[in-house]
Amino acid sequence: NAGVTQTPKFQVLKTGQSMTLQCAQDMNHNSMYWYRQDPGMGLRLIYYSASEGTTDKGEVPNGYNVSRLNKREFSLRLESAAPSQTSVYFCASSERDGRTQYFGPGTRLTVL
Amino acid sequence: AQTVTQSQPEMSVQEAETVTLSCTYDTSESNYYLFWYKQPPSRQMILVIRQEAYKQQNATENRFSVNFQKAAKSFSLKISDSQLGDTAMYFCAFMKLSWERWQNFVFGPGTRLSVLP
Repeated sequence: NAGVTQTPKFQVLKTGQSMTLQCAQDMNHNSMYWYRQDPGMGLRLIYYSASEGTTDKGEVPNGYNVSRLNKREFSLRLESAAPSQTSVYFCASSERDGRTQYFGPGTRLTVL
Repeated sequence: AQTVTQSQPEMSVQEAETVTLSCTYDTSESNYYLFWYKQPPSRQMILVIRQEAYKQQNATENRFSVNFQKAAKSFSLKISDSQLGDTAMYFCAFMKLSWERWQNFVFGPGTRLSVLP
């Protein structure tokens, strides 16, 4: 039981490049989340998926797109990376009521 | 909109002593959950403790306990018998209960706790 896994762990991009962050969970959870963590600001929700086939915007969705490929996988895509997107990205999952979120190990992304 | 404030950016405590981390929040909701998450240097986010707003009894998990003051909108975390492994960032978080699919999970900015030998 691996919980929530994320790939890659580290990534460096140049401005304008695109990439997809992958997330998978093996806990049969309905809900999945993408957060970004910036110094002094805690975690902020980018996108949320209540169930397979549904996605909703969170607090900071601009510049990102997501895909809930199936119940296990929830990917985050940066179409044209900007330096402001330098951050640590966390994926999480939970049961539908969201009372306990389980987090992945995070991806540190640097955009030059 | 809900907000979560942690007024102590950094704290330190001697090993085996007790420390209290503060958290206040602002909401007009009556039904919600509050959480404390720990983030050690490994970066992994770990749930420490959860409190349901409708429960008056303060939650406890081994050496971790909370002081939940609903009227004051305060939710502090007490760590007893501090251990070196407690060194981490601690985040307070709020989640409102809603019929909406989006449950509005909001995190505070964090408190960096150092346990000194």
